[in-house]
Amino acid sequence: QVQLQESGPGLLKPSQTLSLTCNVSGASVSSGSYYWSWLRQPAGKGLEWLGRIYTSGITNYSPSLKSRLTISLDTSKNFFSLRLTSVTATDTAVYYCARDMYYDSRYLAFDSWGQGTLVTVSS
Amino acid sequence: DIQLTQSPSFLSASVGDRVTITCRASHDISNYLAWYQQKPGKAPKLLIYAASTLQSGVPSRFSGSGSGTDFTLAISSLQREDFATYYCQKLNTYPPPFGQGTRLEIK
Repeated sequence: QVQLQESGPGLLKPSQTLSLTCNVSGASVSSGSYYWSWLRQPAGKGLEWLGRIYTSGITNYSPSLKSRLTISLDTSKNFFSLRLTSVTATDTAVYYCARDMYYDSRYLAFDSWGQGTLVTVSS
Repeated sequence: DIQLTQSPSFLSASVGDRVTITCRASHDISNYLAWYQQKPGKAPKLLIYAASTLQSGVPSRFSGSGSGTDFTLAISSLQREDFATYYCQKLNTYPPPFGQGTRLEIK
């Protein structure tokens, strides 16, 4: 059974860089069957997809964050990471890592999620 | 960009009730739709993909229907553990849009 676990600092100051890691067990980030995504959810609000990475290293980013966001993959240690620069209070949210899995070779859905980690940006 | 609008935003029901939640897409999305359940303090859980296919392990009281622009999530007989927030999501689109959520609470 796949498990994802986010880790990283819970508190940052404005203008700092957020770095989060998602450790994956029970599945290989090298597998060509999956994409690996980051999403976030501000308190009391809905879900926002941030970006994803494929085993080849190809990435897709949300247009609203593309200039500040980098997602990378470490196949040797089986984890993937998020780096978000120049954070502001609007980046305060619970951050989730998730696996995108193909169903019926056609439908790509988030089938497994980490428990989430709260990131607060405050001076 | 495709937008998803859920209704209602808030729903109050009793154990044993049948409830339905709708998700309307701004454009035809065929059956590229998923439903997720999220409980307070927890990550979302995939319930349904391809509009009507139940994810493995999800109770059969959950069902999904629809195609094109109008979709429905139904829960046939509410159990206490079903009280949560539900989100629809357009599949295979980046960025993948989510509905704003429907909060289902105990009456």
